[in-house]
Amino acid sequence: GDSVTQMEGPVTLSEEAFLTINCTYTATGYPSLFWYVQYPGEGLQLLLKATKADDKGSNKGFEATYRKETTSFHLEKGSVQVSDSAVYFCALHDVGTNAGKSTFGDGTTLTVKP
Amino acid sequence: NAGVTQTPKFRILKIGQSMTLQCAQDMNHNYMYWYRQDPGMGLKLIYYSVGAGITDKGEVPNGYNVSRSTTEDFPLRLELAAPSQTSVYFCASSSEGYGYTFGSGTRLTVV
Repeated sequence: GDSVTQMEGPVTLSEEAFLTINCTYTATGYPSLFWYVQYPGEGLQLLLKATKADDKGSNKGFEATYRKETTSFHLEKGSVQVSDSAVYFCALHDVGTNAGKSTFGDGTTLTVKP
Repeated sequence: NAGVTQTPKFRILKIGQSMTLQCAQDMNHNYMYWYRQDPGMGLKLIYYSVGAGITDKGEVPNGYNVSRSTTEDFPLRLELAAPSQTSVYFCASSSEGYGYTFGSGTRLTVV
């Protein structure tokens, strides 16, 4: 079945550092890929998505590229801020299979220190 | 544009009590989901629905029930609350392949 594996956290960075959070997936079809962000005390919010191979999703300075050859969708940001401290979830959605359910990774906690 | 609205935001239940967590969406999404998130953990799917009148179990359905009589509403019922059901509950909705919209959650404590 489908699965998503995320880099284990927690990740602690200084402000303005470069961020990478690794995400790899296993899927039987041709999934869409997503990153969600959860700020403290809130629900998850869709951060960015990519629907096919080599697509790049981007939002709020974050980027991720859909790499079919390595089955990866790593999240990157060039310069993190304290306000980026949150939990980040990678997810895949295999359109037409799995009854409309996305598969989520376990989440990676990011703390950014001033 | 309200999105997904969950009520209540907080609740304390005594062991053995019952309650209904409400979830409503105004985006005309066919798919709706209930997840629980324990402290420091990921999401576990409780129940989901692919349309009005159709529901199915997720990974952890025991102790819960759902109904979907309209496209907009997807309430989650807890019967005979137990301490193991202390968690944060998230409702979400989606249109196929477009990503989920989550509610802000209900924080439930069973004492």
